[in-house]
Amino acid sequence: DSGVTQTPKHLITATGQRVTLRCSPRSGDLSVYWYQQSLDQGLQFLIQYYNGEERAKGNILERFSAQQFPDLHSELNLSSLELGDSALYFCASSGAEIQETQYFGPGTRLLVL
Amino acid sequence: GENVEQHPSTLSVQEGDSAVIKCTYSDSASNYFPWYKQELGKRPQLIIDIRSNVGEKKDQRIAVTLNKTAKHFSLHITETQPEDSAVYFCAATDSWGKFQFGAGTQVVVTP
Repeated sequence: DSGVTQTPKHLITATGQRVTLRCSPRSGDLSVYWYQQSLDQGLQFLIQYYNGEERAKGNILERFSAQQFPDLHSELNLSSLELGDSALYFCASSGAEIQETQYFGPGTRLLVL
Repeated sequence: GENVEQHPSTLSVQEGDSAVIKCTYSDSASNYFPWYKQELGKRPQLIIDIRSNVGEKKDQRIAVTLNKTAKHFSLHITETQPEDSAVYFCAATDSWGKFQFGAGTQVVVTP
């Protein structure tokens, strides 16, 4: 157990819908990262937050948004869902220093029908 | 930004043999190089990491080597066992601390 939690574990929804994925980082970690992993694909970096502020952006679609709250948990919002958005979404957290180890949560498996 | 290439994409080894996975990176400012193991449907888990101030690090059957001049690093697994079967990802951090992951290597250990 990495100490990073994600909810829900599974999510099944229809095209055009909107969902919210939630992540709680390890105690004391200030950075949260979101990744998308499609079937048999690598880890695609979406976005990073540090202590409530956006720090880095990757290949995140405009239909997707995220935020980090004062208690440091983060939410990833996916809207106008398409079939191709079906994937595993991982959250990871790390401490305050640059180039620190990232610890991954168990992931949320999203299926868009 | 950082670009990480990982080879091979698949690796099949006999139980007891060694496995080697290689990664190259582009950003000379990268200082931290972790390796993750991901079993099917599970989270990536850190198995070993190395920082730029050392050239090699070992943890039981797993070792990582780093050549900063050539900008490449490698994962070595000795005496492979069936439970080593998984996808392995290398990563390098850019100047801002953002991870760039390699595409992954599917390792299959056959008894």
